[in-house]
Amino acid sequence: ETGVTQTPRHLVMGMTNKKSLKCEQHLGHNAMYWYKQSAKKPLELMFVYSLEERVENNSVPSRFSPECPNSSHLFLHLHTLQPEDSALYLCASSQESPGSGNTIYFGEGSWLTVV
Amino acid sequence: GQNIDQPTEMTATEGAIVQINCTYQTSGFNGLFWYQQHAGEAPTFLSYNVLDGLEEKGRFSSFLSRSKGYSYLLLKELQMKDSASYLCAVKDSNYQLIWGAGTKLIIKP
Repeated sequence: ETGVTQTPRHLVMGMTNKKSLKCEQHLGHNAMYWYKQSAKKPLELMFVYSLEERVENNSVPSRFSPECPNSSHLFLHLHTLQPEDSALYLCASSQESPGSGNTIYFGEGSWLTVV
Repeated sequence: GQNIDQPTEMTATEGAIVQINCTYQTSGFNGLFWYQQHAGEAPTFLSYNVLDGLEEKGRFSSFLSRSKGYSYLLLKELQMKDSASYLCAVKDSNYQLIWGAGTKLIIKP
């Protein structure tokens, strides 16, 4: 139990489908993140929400759309994905304060396969 | 650009000691993290260094030299369950985490 739960754990979708990944954190943190993890590559930060406001969007294609309805929940809406989007998508959270080096805590990830 | 380098893969023997190195070139420094990630699981926090020196936590220790842009993770008395990937990450001057690609550690009996 990591304190950050993600659903579904595995998802197979066609390129024309629309699906969503869900993340919930039970740690009382004020920041949440979506990362993409591909084999043998560094973690890629996709989106950051701090106090429910998006503060980072690292040139992620518009086929990925995040939503943060409150400080405990984070969604990643997926539509018209490409096969190269197949990867492990990790949600994470942290308690951020100015000038801090606070630890981030990850969920177990959602394995996405685009066919 | 910003860069974190760590070996792609290492092999060690059960009961032995292994050192996983990490070198970094970042715009500023606000701490270095080590995470462990077993296959198919979440990365889990191992250690955080912000000052030079060695931090010991049970069988695991992490060392930092800011002047050299260098860290290592030392694992003692290796166990089969230590087979995992080990991720090095640095917080830059904007408190953004820059990640290495990870080191896959294989433990053999």
